[in-house]
Amino acid sequence: SQKIEQNSEALNIQEGKTATLTCNYTNYSPAYLQWYRQDPGRGPVFLLLIRENEKEKRKERLKVTFDTTLKQSLFHITASQPADSATYLCALIGTGRRALTFGSGTRLQVQP
Amino acid sequence: DSGVTQTPKHLITATGQRVTLRCSPRSGDLSVYWYQQSLDQGLQFLIQYYNGEERAKGNILERFSAQQFPDLHSELNLSSLELGDSALYFCASSVEAEGSAYEQYFGPGTRLTVT
Repeated sequence: SQKIEQNSEALNIQEGKTATLTCNYTNYSPAYLQWYRQDPGRGPVFLLLIRENEKEKRKERLKVTFDTTLKQSLFHITASQPADSATYLCALIGTGRRALTFGSGTRLQVQP
Repeated sequence: DSGVTQTPKHLITATGQRVTLRCSPRSGDLSVYWYQQSLDQGLQFLIQYYNGEERAKGNILERFSAQQFPDLHSELNLSSLELGDSALYFCASSVEAEGSAYEQYFGPGTRLTVT
């Protein structure tokens, strides 16, 4: 069956360090993969989109990689800040399909 | 502020009742998506409309229905409510029909509590 797996355990890191979150998927051939940030009780906020023919995408302190061979995306936040504390969701869609499927998210806690 | 509005913010109702959730997309967005988020299920796609027509269907129960009106706002109708329907319901909008190619903008959500 199709699965998107994100580490359900919270990731705790010190301010200033790089946070790395993982999204693994099985039985998908995604054309696109997206990352969202969600704060408690609020709607997800779009961060980055990466296409299957792109290896890496950057936006300010954020970097996403996409390895279709490993079926994995890594999401990096460099120089992390307490304000980066949130749940981060990956979402993807298979080729020829329309709906985004979201992973369950990984909670990031940045300690000052 | 994403530009997507949802009403009401909170809704408390009894089992067996029917409710309507409303969503107004961002100006210019033709696609509207509905999601359900509960603690044990994560964010689940329910249904998508594009310019008034249904485009994609997810895990939407038969007791649930939706529509998109000519002014592009959308309503999600939930009927014969059960305790398990208690969740956050999000609406999102995007520019294009092929939603995956473009980011989705989420509203603040409606928290539904069924007692």
